[in-house]
Amino acid sequence: AQSVTQLGSHVSVSEGALVLLRCNYSSSVPPYLFWYVQYPNQGLQLLLKYTTGATLVKGINGFEAEFKKSETSFHLTKPSAHMSDAAEYFCAVSHSGGYQKVTFGTGTKLQVIP
Amino acid sequence: EPEVTQTPSHQVTQMGQEVILRCVPISNHLYFYWYRQILGQKVEFLVSFYNNEISEKSEIFDDQFSVERPDGSNFTLKIRSTKLEDSAMYFCAGHKTQETQYFGPGTRLLVL
Repeated sequence: AQSVTQLGSHVSVSEGALVLLRCNYSSSVPPYLFWYVQYPNQGLQLLLKYTTGATLVKGINGFEAEFKKSETSFHLTKPSAHMSDAAEYFCAVSHSGGYQKVTFGTGTKLQVIP
Repeated sequence: EPEVTQTPSHQVTQMGQEVILRCVPISNHLYFYWYRQILGQKVEFLVSFYNNEISEKSEIFDDQFSVERPDGSNFTLKIRSTKLEDSAMYFCAGHKTQETQYFGPGTRLLVL
């Protein structure tokens, strides 16, 4: 079984401030971990993913996330928020290997204040 | 880069009507999935499909739903008799063994 918990359904940051979106996961086997971004009325865009190897993963638009197995966390960060980062962010987990049903978190809406 | 495509992008239907949502996965993918997202909620797993049969389905995927891969390219989700609560964005996804999933852009279904 697998699950994802995203702390904070809404996060507000000032433009230029650090973005930190929290995600904790549960998985009975080594996981694949993902962050997706969704703009209003649009589809899912993959920001970054962790499969194996380096635990600090860099993605698009300056985002990065660190896989911490001991803390079962995969928090998303960006050093300096931009107005265009305002969107909903979903953390997700799947099993590694052949069959990979993805389980999504409930999402965090990021508001960027000018 | 190859992409998963979905048609139509938007569909409006009357309650009780049948709808078929279509997906064209990337050609060498082996595992296929449908997910849905009710407006304002998280993305939920509906069903997975491998080797021409359903490998897992959620409790949402009741007898009103079915999936097919009739011609080796299209992957379809049929809802036999739509209900108001079927209104959602439906995402198709697929992947090869040992690789992560590629999601399609989604079909927004509105049931009136």
